[in-house]
Amino acid sequence: NAGVTQTPKFRILKIGQSMTLQCTQDMNHNYMYWYRQDPGMGLKLIYYSVGAGITDKGEVPNGYNVSRSTTEDFPLRLELAAPSQTSVYFCASSDREGYGYTFGSGTRLTVV
Amino acid sequence: GIQVEQSPPDLILQEGANSTLRCNFSDSVNNLQWFHQNPWGQLINLFYIPSGTKQNGRLSATTVATERYSLLYISSSQTTDSGVYFCAVDEWYGNKLVFGAGTILRVKS
Repeated sequence: NAGVTQTPKFRILKIGQSMTLQCTQDMNHNYMYWYRQDPGMGLKLIYYSVGAGITDKGEVPNGYNVSRSTTEDFPLRLELAAPSQTSVYFCASSDREGYGYTFGSGTRLTVV
Repeated sequence: GIQVEQSPPDLILQEGANSTLRCNFSDSVNNLQWFHQNPWGQLINLFYIPSGTKQNGRLSATTVATERYSLLYISSSQTTDSGVYFCAVDEWYGNKLVFGAGTILRVKS
C-alpha cells in the first residue's frame, strides 16, 4: 500500500518555465489537497478537490492550476514559474470526514 | 479566517522528559488534527481530535472545543520525537486545514 505518491522529489526551474507536479493515491480517498510549505512556516492550502471533476481554490491559488479527472490523481500545474513559488509542495488525501489524512513525501521546488 | 497559534515555538528536552504543546484557535472547529514533521520532512498524522481525549502510546491529546484549545502531551520523550509538531484546524466541513506555525521540538540524548 503506497499511500500518497508525489513526483518528482526535487526540481529546479528557470523563471518563466512551467511544470506539473504529480500526485497519486491508492486509498480510494475522495478528498485530495495541495499545500505549500515555506521555510520555517506551516503549510498553506493551494487547491483541493472533493472528488473527480470537482476542484476549488484554497488560501494561495495564484500561479497554479489543478485538475481531477480520476479519483487517484491530482496533478498541480505551475505556469510561468516565479521565484516566489520556491517552496516544498505537499499533496495529501483524506476520507470525507477527515480521517486518514495522509501526506506524500513532498516535492522541493526551486525557481531561479 | 480562523487563526491558529501554537506554543511554545521552540522546545529542547532531555531524553525521558515530558512535555505539553498547546494549540489555540480563534473560532469553532469541526476538524482538528495534530501532525509530526520529522527531520526528513515527512508529515505524519498523529491525532484526529476535534473534541475529547485520545491516547496513542506515549502521546496523548486533549481538545477543549468550548475553550478553543488543544494540548498534545509527549511522555518519556525519545530522540525520535524530534521534529516539528503542527496543529491544524478546519472550521467548516471539507477538511481544508489551516495550519499553525508549529512547535520545533529537539530531544537530546
